[in-house]
Amino acid sequence: EVQLLESGGGLVQPGGSLSLSCAASGFIFSNYGMAWVRQAPGKGLEWVSTLTGSGRGTFYADSVKGRFTISRDNSKNTLYLQVNSLRAEDTAVYFCAKYRGSGSHTSWYFDIWGRGTLVTVSS
Amino acid sequence: QSVLTQPPSASETPGQRVTISCSGSNANIGANPVNWYQQIPGTAPKLLIYTNNQRPSGVPDRFSGSKSGTSASLAISGLQSEDEADYYCTSWDDSLNGWVFGGGTKLTVL
Repeated sequence: EVQLLESGGGLVQPGGSLSLSCAASGFIFSNYGMAWVRQAPGKGLEWVSTLTGSGRGTFYADSVKGRFTISRDNSKNTLYLQVNSLRAEDTAVYFCAKYRGSGSHTSWYFDIWGRGTLVTVSS
Repeated sequence: QSVLTQPPSASETPGQRVTISCSGSNANIGANPVNWYQQIPGTAPKLLIYTNNQRPSGVPDRFSGSKSGTSASLAISGLQSEDEADYYCTSWDDSLNGWVFGGGTKLTVL
């Protein structure tokens, strides 16, 4: 069974940092692009960042560029998101998502999602 | 404000058909495939439609997607109470160089 399990969320003060992890199982991790998508309380979904299967291609939403870093360890089947300089508006559930799709990344779509990990930024 | 525009809410009675629209631009829907997700509050989103009109295995054929120009639509026929959820469209945006979502549509089955 394909599974994604996020961890690492918690309460952090403004300006602080956290490291989120996403443990993957049930598929050949290195073959697929992966992403982080977040959802603020009572709000809609917002794409955050994407990393290709090889780890050589990265994409970031403008709202997190320069503050968040996506990475992966294909030997551990794990995706990471280092979140720095946190702001109140970063408070959200952070979902890890697996991509599916062939050809250009512009045609990729999220086919499997984790349950999410909550990040709360507050003093 | 979301790059893709969806109506915030929709409602219909059981057994009827409802359509949810998703409006974008030439930078996103006009140039790239559209995908749809269903989210029951408090749970993870679930893939409903991919590449404009394809259904993953396990998704009932009551759900269908279409795209024309810079707009897309999700149709749900034979509405059931279990279809009550939030629905999101998404696509790649060539100008923003990233994936964009609609603001979501809350579907109520009356």
